[in-house]
Amino acid sequence: GAGVSQTPSNKVTEKGKYVELRCDPISGHTALYWYRQSLGQGPEFLIYFQGTGAADDSGLPNDRFFAVRPEGSVSTLKIQRTERGDSAVYLCASSLTGQGAPDYGYTFGSGTRLTVV
Amino acid sequence: AQKITQTQPGMFVQEKEAVTLDCTYDTSDQSYGLFWYKQPSSGEMIFLIYQGSYDEQNATEGRYSLNFQKARKSANLVISASQLGDSAMYFCAMREGYGGSQGNLIFGKGTKLSVKP
Repeated sequence: GAGVSQTPSNKVTEKGKYVELRCDPISGHTALYWYRQSLGQGPEFLIYFQGTGAADDSGLPNDRFFAVRPEGSVSTLKIQRTERGDSAVYLCASSLTGQGAPDYGYTFGSGTRLTVV
Repeated sequence: AQKITQTQPGMFVQEKEAVTLDCTYDTSDQSYGLFWYKQPSSGEMIFLIYQGSYDEQNATEGRYSLNFQKARKSANLVISASQLGDSAMYFCAMREGYGGSQGNLIFGKGTKLSVKP
């Protein structure tokens, strides 16, 4: 697609439930990133994929959070046993890497607003 | 310690005037990149300007320029001739190491810019 697509755009779930957030990156982008943005804050890094593998998952806050990218394109962020503190906008970005790639080529999606009630 | 510091939670500027948004950063890497993004109330992250740590000249993109002072570790954004549509949150971000668009971005807390008619 032309841009990074995130679905759903909004998700309301009850405390304790499981949720999945989807990111469809720009076609051909090898790197994919997940960020969490709480109200009034800057985005916080969660996890970064290079191809199918997680190159850096140091930002995942705890083992309730997990992400996959099985075929090196679409990624799913999974949150188990959701808590009210998980409420935030979850942003996905993708970039083209490798020789000739620009230094500033990150493209962000519009985000999924997750509300845990 | 914070890697990216934006000390101005909010700024006001008169339409058609210039405004400077402050950003300081902290890294021990020799190779890094500095970014500015705009986030309107609609939520998308819009790339504005990029400065590489080895770039000798300050980056410019239309009405945006980046005042890069490497020794002081500052990367202030200057917006000339402000327009009402410039009202938004502005985030400074840094990528450490790597090269190309590879590696996660570290964001500051942001500055809310309001342009007055």
